[in-house]
Amino acid sequence: DAGVIQSPRHEVTEMGQEVTLRCKPISGHNSLFWYRQTMMRGLELLIYFNNNVPIDDSGMPEDRFSAKMPNASFSTLKIQPSEPRDSAVYFCASSAAFGATQYFGPGTRLLVL
Amino acid sequence: QKEVEQNSGPLSVPEGAIASLNCTYSDRVSQSFFWYRQYSGKSPELIMSIYSNGDKEDGRFTAQLNKASQYVSLLIRDSQPSDSATYLCAAPLSTGANSKLTFGKGITLSVRP
Repeated sequence: DAGVIQSPRHEVTEMGQEVTLRCKPISGHNSLFWYRQTMMRGLELLIYFNNNVPIDDSGMPEDRFSAKMPNASFSTLKIQPSEPRDSAVYFCASSAAFGATQYFGPGTRLLVL
Repeated sequence: QKEVEQNSGPLSVPEGAIASLNCTYSDRVSQSFFWYRQYSGKSPELIMSIYSNGDKEDGRFTAQLNKASQYVSLLIRDSQPSDSATYLCAAPLSTGANSKLTFGKGITLSVRP
């Protein structure tokens, strides 16, 4: 079975550029989560969706970050404009239901120069 | 106090020893706890969950929950070099009508052959 799929796996961009991260959750899973991991702050939840609807975006650092889930099999996290402090590993996770075990994707390593 | 704290580490133990990983939590989190393992450069994976006071055993792993003292531990018996990883403690944090999984910063375990 395919797990959570994320693309790209690595992204290097320059400050000010737009960055779009993509996620395909496990088929049949109803909840999707976007996390950011850095050495300083650890693993932080940015936003999560339940049945494609954003439930809690209080972890989104600022207006430069936005996330969408147009259907049950696809979600994007966009940063516009990007800044060096956005450099981190961004994980997408999905679960069969809210509160159930979360399965993480391989992550996208973002470096903003 | 942060909602979920892992203050000790990194931890180094010889092969075959017992590794003890600790996590404390605040009153704000719900009474269910999860231990994730994250190998270097990989994504977190769930290895144990515990909901009730006391011990829960799964192979070489034992999770211990002490609600009175507000800590949860993970014991790894007969530690193997393959156990070398970062271990993340997580618990749901209530946010009004919803909750979100909150992670500690993790403890890095190194098992010496």
